[in-house]
Amino acid sequence: GAVVSQHPSWVICKSGTSVKIECRSLDFQATTMFWYRQFPKQSLMLMATSNEGSKATYEQGVEKDKFLINHASLTLSTLTVTSAHPEDSSFYICSASTGTEETQYFGPGTRLLVL
Amino acid sequence: GQQLNQSPQSMFIQEGEDVSMNCTSSSIFNTWLWYKQDPGEGPVLLIALYKAGELTSNGRLTAQFGITRKDSFLNISASIPSDVGIYFCAGQEWGAGNKLVFGAGTILRVKS
Repeated sequence: GAVVSQHPSWVICKSGTSVKIECRSLDFQATTMFWYRQFPKQSLMLMATSNEGSKATYEQGVEKDKFLINHASLTLSTLTVTSAHPEDSSFYICSASTGTEETQYFGPGTRLLVL
Repeated sequence: GQQLNQSPQSMFIQEGEDVSMNCTSSSIFNTWLWYKQDPGEGPVLLIALYKAGELTSNGRLTAQFGITRKDSFLNISASIPSDVGIYFCAGQEWGAGNKLVFGAGTILRVKS
């Protein structure tokens, strides 16, 4: 149980394009999903918290217009990197929790490379 | 803000040896979690601790939630090559919306 998937697993795009990453909880309903960014050899940095049906809460320093988050259902959240630039290249990881249990289960990550 | 100090930063051990790593925080957490991350993958939950003083095992892994609620350790017994990876501790505090604070990670390498 508690499986979280992400799609795509990797993406290469041109600078200026937008990229959408999906995060799905496969066998449970996730009231809360989290989006993280991880640079090589570093820890996970929380970008935003998203609750189903409401606006995401962004961490300080994270541009909400740059990283659009939508949590339309209890099993799906999406992160859209708008007008991507090379400095947006990173490993993006989502996690999901049921709320009641509070433990976060992580997806396999999406590696983004912006050329 | 919250800070977690995780140590050691890295370890290179012989197969069969026991491993110990720990995390300390500047404030109290209500939950401690230990994750392992393989290269190019997302973190996988190893052990979750919900109660101060709790000692929990998962196979060769043992973790404890410190009695002060400000620390936790993870032990791995009889290490094997597939234990290689990065281990992260993470803490949750009351009223923080389930947000996790992560340690910097411990890189484990095992020599067979």
